[in-house]
Amino acid sequence: DQQVKQNSPSLSVQEGRISILNCDYTNSMFDYFLWYKKYPAEGPTFLISISSIKDKNEDGRFTVFLNKSAKHLSLHIVPSQPGDSAVYFCAASGGAQKLVFGQGTRLTINP
Amino acid sequence: NAGVTQTPKFQVLKTGQSMTLQCAQDMNHNSMYWYRQDPGMGLRLIYYSASEGTTDKGEVPNGYNVSRLNKREFSLRLESAAPSQTSVYFCASSELRVDGYTFGSGTRLTVV
Repeated sequence: DQQVKQNSPSLSVQEGRISILNCDYTNSMFDYFLWYKKYPAEGPTFLISISSIKDKNEDGRFTVFLNKSAKHLSLHIVPSQPGDSAVYFCAASGGAQKLVFGQGTRLTINP
Repeated sequence: NAGVTQTPKFQVLKTGQSMTLQCAQDMNHNSMYWYRQDPGMGLRLIYYSASEGTTDKGEVPNGYNVSRLNKREFSLRLESAAPSQTSVYFCASSELRVDGYTFGSGTRLTVV
């Protein structure tokens, strides 16, 4: 039972354009959502988060949008840069602080 | 540098062998976690420790045991390794949800 789903295993975007990564969840008790970025041979690193009381959070080139009614969140990266090429994991938690992760999306930024 | 340190980085085991993966954090975090990463499966929680002296099962605990030795250290033990335990293992720690988790760099384990 996959509570957090990233249905796109991979995404290819041209440098300078917008990258949009999507994530769906099924558990309505989730109230906090995060995105992590992972380079090969390294651990995931925290990128950006959003509480369920908000529908948008921005940090520089990164914006996370939350649609609670659709149980959907997305990460927008604009403009995309070569260093953004990585695997991105969506994660969610519901009060107990334990995070449930999605399967990950491999983002490739092409020059 | 502050963070989460995992040892070893790589390990090859024969089926039936045992080993312990070590994890230590120097951020004074209360909570620590062990995840495994498999292709197409994302990161799945094996065990976690909300605070020193407590441990709880996660999503995929079978075949593993853990010890929260003190506030800094949280080890993961495979008593009798199986090929299905071939994976990349990540340890993480956290304090406040707003900060997310801090992950170690991982242990790549192969069981043959």
